[in-house]
Amino acid sequence: AIRITQSPSSLSASTGDRVTITCRASQGISSYLAWYQQKPGKAPNLLIYDASTLQSGVPSRFSGSGSGTDFALTISCLQSEDFATYYCQQYYGYPHTFGQGTELEIK
Amino acid sequence: QVQLQESGPGLVEPSETLSLTCNVSGGSISSYYWSWIRQPPGEGLEWIGSVYYSGSTNYNPSLKSRVTISVDTSKNQFSLNLNSVTTADTAVYYCSRTNGEYSYADSWGPGTLVTVSS
Repeated sequence: AIRITQSPSSLSASTGDRVTITCRASQGISSYLAWYQQKPGKAPNLLIYDASTLQSGVPSRFSGSGSGTDFALTISCLQSEDFATYYCQQYYGYPHTFGQGTELEIK
Repeated sequence: QVQLQESGPGLVEPSETLSLTCNVSGGSISSYYWSWIRQPPGEGLEWIGSVYYSGSTNYNPSLKSRVTISVDTSKNQFSLNLNSVTTADTAVYYCSRTNGEYSYADSWGPGTLVTVSS
C-alpha cells in the first residue's frame, strides 16, 4: 500500500496567517491527490482534487500544489471558519490511503 | 445535488456482522463508484472499499477477508457488510461517491457511529 506522511500533525495559527500543510507519498502518485477539511462531528468536505484543482464553491484562499511524491495545501489568509482538521488522500493506487491529518488550531 | 445517507444498527456485538446501507438520492447510482470510509473515535480516516454500479469491487487488503460491499441499482443504494467484528471496528462509518475508479470522494453522507460492544 502507498503510505502518506502528513505534517505537521497539529498547527497553531492566527486569523490572517498563511499556513502550509504537506503530504509525502511513499512512491510517485502523479497528481492523484485530494485534500479534505473536516470539522468536529461532520463528514470531510472536498477542497482540492488532482493536487491543485479547487472544488467548486471552495474559497480561493485555498490552494494545492505538487506532483510525484510531495504535495502541499496552502491557506493564504486564515479565516475563523478554517480552523478544522485537514486530510490528504491518494487515489493513484488501491487502497486509497489517507494522511494522518493536521489539526489546525487557533493560536 | 446528490445526497447520501447511511443507515443501520448503532450497536453490534463482538464476532457478529456489521451491516450498513447507504441510500443515494438526488441522482442515479449508475456511472459512479461508491465507497465506504471509517473513522475510529478521535482518529484518522481509513478507506474500506468501493463498488461500481456494475458490481465490481475493490477492498482494503487490511479488511478484505471480512468485507463485502454490494450495490442495488433498483433501490439506488449500496451496502457494507463487515463480519467477525471486534471493538477495533468501532467507528463512524461514512459512505461517499467517487468520481471514478481512481478518483476522489466528492460527496459524503453525514456518517453513522457503530459501536462494537457486548
